[in-house]
Amino acid sequence: EVQLQQSGPELVKPGASMKISCKASGYSFTGYTMNWVKQSHGKNLEWIGLINPYNGGTSYNQKFKGKATLTVDKSSSTAYMELLSLTSEDSAVYYCARRATPYAMDYWGQGTSVTVSS
Amino acid sequence: DIQMTQSPSSLSASLGGKVTITCKASQDINKYIAWYQHKPGKGPRLLIHYTSTLQPGIPSRFSGSGSGRDYSFSISNLEPEDIATYYCLQYDNLLLTFGAGTKLELK
Repeated sequence: EVQLQQSGPELVKPGASMKISCKASGYSFTGYTMNWVKQSHGKNLEWIGLINPYNGGTSYNQKFKGKATLTVDKSSSTAYMELLSLTSEDSAVYYCARRATPYAMDYWGQGTSVTVSS
Repeated sequence: DIQMTQSPSSLSASLGGKVTITCKASQDINKYIAWYQHKPGKGPRLLIHYTSTLQPGIPSRFSGSGSGRDYSFSISNLEPEDIATYYCLQYDNLLLTFGAGTKLELK
């Protein structure tokens, strides 16, 4: 069974950085890209970017360059997204989702809530 | 970026009824549209990809159609578990973009 298990909710202070994890199981981790999506205000979905676990290659939505950094640890089949210099605008739920290009994202994590507040 | 205009933003329907949601792309997306069901506290669930192809295990009450810039998604014989928010996603372009979502409620 394919599963993407994300790390728990976070409360962070403005200006801080933090990292979300997404542990994959039930499939070949290097056979799919890992995508990350932001859900703001409980509704709007934005694609942040993707990483290819096979070679570490990345592609970012220009809007999130400098804000998000995607990495993977192949040994543990875990993808990470680091969010930098957090502001209240970064308060959102973040999802990881696998994708086999050129298909759609098919399996998603359960989401990680990030709240930026002093 | 390809803009996806999804409508309506919300709708109310009766059990056993039928609903239709539309997404209009700002350019031709060559049928590369997917539809997701999203419930609170969970990740979105892929229902349909490539306009009309049902994911395994998704009942045939769900359907999709369209071409070019115009696409639609329907649910027939509404059941209580269909109450959720639905999103379209275009994946023709490297920069993936979503519709704004449609919240489905029971009448």
